[in-house]
Amino acid sequence: NAGVTQTPKFQVLKTGQSMTLQCAQDMNHEYMSWYRQDPGMGLRLIHYSVGAGITDQGEVPNGYNVSRSTTEDFPLRLLSAAPSQTSVYFCASSSASVGNYGYTFGSGTRLTVV
Amino acid sequence: EDQVTQSPEALRLQEGESSSLNCSYTVSGLRGLFWYRQDPGKGPEFLFTLYSAGEEKEKERLKATLTKKESFLHITAPKPEDSATYLCAVANFGNEKLTFGTGTRLTIIP
Repeated sequence: NAGVTQTPKFQVLKTGQSMTLQCAQDMNHEYMSWYRQDPGMGLRLIHYSVGAGITDQGEVPNGYNVSRSTTEDFPLRLLSAAPSQTSVYFCASSSASVGNYGYTFGSGTRLTVV
Repeated sequence: EDQVTQSPEALRLQEGESSSLNCSYTVSGLRGLFWYRQDPGKGPEFLFTLYSAGEEKEKERLKATLTKKESFLHITAPKPEDSATYLCAVANFGNEKLTFGTGTRLTIIP
């Protein structure tokens, strides 16, 4: 049972480039979300999904897009990378509403935008 | 707006020296308070969920408690392998996000 798998683990982008961070879970979880973690700021929610075909914005959605075509996958797209998007990105999933169970987090993608 | 404040920012303890980490929170409707452990270069690992004041949960050397304004993570006779950053987060009935604190970096010295 792999849990939540994120790829790539590391990425360097030039300003203006686009890319997709991949996230897949094999636990049949309905809830999936993307967080970014920056020093001194804690984890902040970017986008989340409560099921296939349903997505919504979190706290810091600007510059990011998501889609949820299957239960297993929840990719995060950076449309035009900016240095402010340098961060560590975590994907997380849960079998039910966030208040009932803890989220299972992936191991993260460390992104640097130069 | 939900807020979570953790203290201290960093804590160094001798092996076997018990202590507590603090998580103060404000939330309009608490659905749950979470504790996570995060090792360097890894994602947060779920430890506990607390739902109401007075609730306590234990796991090995860790015990989490909850009041209406704060939560404590008590660590008893810690070992070097307990060294990690401990994160606290709250969930609100009004939305689907977790609001995280900035964490306490715990170092246990052999």
